[in-house]
Amino acid sequence: GAGVSQSPRYKVAKRGQDVALRCDPISGHVSLFWYQQALGQGPEFLTYFQNEAQLDKSGLPSDRFFAERPEGSVSTLKIQRTQQEDSAVYLCASVGGSSYNSPLHFGNGTRLTVT
Amino acid sequence: GENVEQHPSTLSVQEGDSAVIKCTYSDSASNYFPWYKQELGKRPQLIIDIRSNVGEKKDQRIAVTLNKTAKHFSLHITETQPEDSAVYFCAAPYSGGYQKVTFGTGTKLQVIP
Repeated sequence: GAGVSQSPRYKVAKRGQDVALRCDPISGHVSLFWYQQALGQGPEFLTYFQNEAQLDKSGLPSDRFFAERPEGSVSTLKIQRTQQEDSAVYLCASVGGSSYNSPLHFGNGTRLTVT
Repeated sequence: GENVEQHPSTLSVQEGDSAVIKCTYSDSASNYFPWYKQELGKRPQLIIDIRSNVGEKKDQRIAVTLNKTAKHFSLHITETQPEDSAVYFCAAPYSGGYQKVTFGTGTKLQVIP
């Protein structure tokens, strides 16, 4: 596709349920990021992949959060035993260039609401 | 890591007036500063960026200035139009050798027709 695609667009989960959020980056983009955006805030870094390797997961808020990108393209962010504080928009972004000053291309995000 | 502060949090201007949003950063090694625009319910999109080897960059009605000594950079929008209404985020790179950036908290710009 022409841009980064995320699904589902909206997800409502009951507290304690597991959820899986999908990101389909721009074809050929090596770098992939997950960000969490709370209401009225800027995106906060969660994790970073270079191809299939997860090189930085320092932003994951707890061990309930897990991300993978097994074949170096599609990525999945999984949240186990969801809590109300997990409610946010989860943004995926990919980067085309290899230089560190290449811009992020964001998807439309998944809005997660935990009830 | 990088710490980015952004001001103001909200800004209302009359159509045709200018808008200025300011950000400061903490890591003196940072040398790339993008600005993203996020319309309600939509994805953040890059509108302009600046590298540290220049002090100012313009693209039509938008410009960004950078003061590396003071560690601050600003977004300037001239002749504002209603379609400029959105949330604007500044960002600065995290010194990790790849494209990770830290975002500011955002400025909600409202252009009043």
